[in-house]
Amino acid sequence: EPEVTQTPSHQVTQMGQEVILRCVPISNHLYFYWYRQILGQKVEFLVSFYNNEISEKSEIFDDQFSVERPDGSNFTLKIRSTKLEDSAMYFCASSLQEFDTEAFFGQGTRLTVV
Amino acid sequence: GESVGLHLPTLSVQEGDNSIINCAYSNSASDYFIWYKQESGKGPQFIIDIRSNMDKRQGQRVTVLLNKTVKHLSLQIAATQPGDSAVYFCAEYTYNQGGKLIFGQGTELSVKP
Repeated sequence: EPEVTQTPSHQVTQMGQEVILRCVPISNHLYFYWYRQILGQKVEFLVSFYNNEISEKSEIFDDQFSVERPDGSNFTLKIRSTKLEDSAMYFCASSLQEFDTEAFFGQGTRLTVV
Repeated sequence: GESVGLHLPTLSVQEGDNSIINCAYSNSASDYFIWYKQESGKGPQFIIDIRSNMDKRQGQRVTVLLNKTVKHLSLQIAATQPGDSAVYFCAEYTYNQGGKLIFGQGTELSVKP
């Protein structure tokens, strides 16, 4: 069964450092998303991406964040200068169409900023 | 502003009993309401959705009810099994917003054998 894969599973970084979280969405999907979940809290939308551009982004997704689809399979989230409050589980998701309520989520990358 | 939230943070049921998980929402303009399940250490997994012009939808062992009058959504799980133990999130979806999902706080369902 096709699945969304994320690497690494856990990333520890020092405050102020740049991190890149990587995702391989399901191959025939066209819409890609990043969500984050602070421990014990709800899942929060960060950004959606389609046709090599951002479709929608939340207030959380400020200038420190960027997304990229560098090739035909990978989808990345970059945080330029990490802050302590960026510590969270980051989930990549993909869907076949924008109008799909069923998004397929990866296992997540736990980002710890120290 | 828009928000989707849950009435109870935890729910404990006996195996074989039916479970009901509730959710309140405030954005009447949402086009779909969805339930996701998140097992420990995993990402959310789609369970079932309901379009805003419907009041009931059934799936395999699950039923979602939508009461637009009181802005209430519920997920009923029949014959709850240990494998149903997870955190359940309601979410809302609106067309032309880039496919984003707005999640509620989550209810942890614990199934006792």
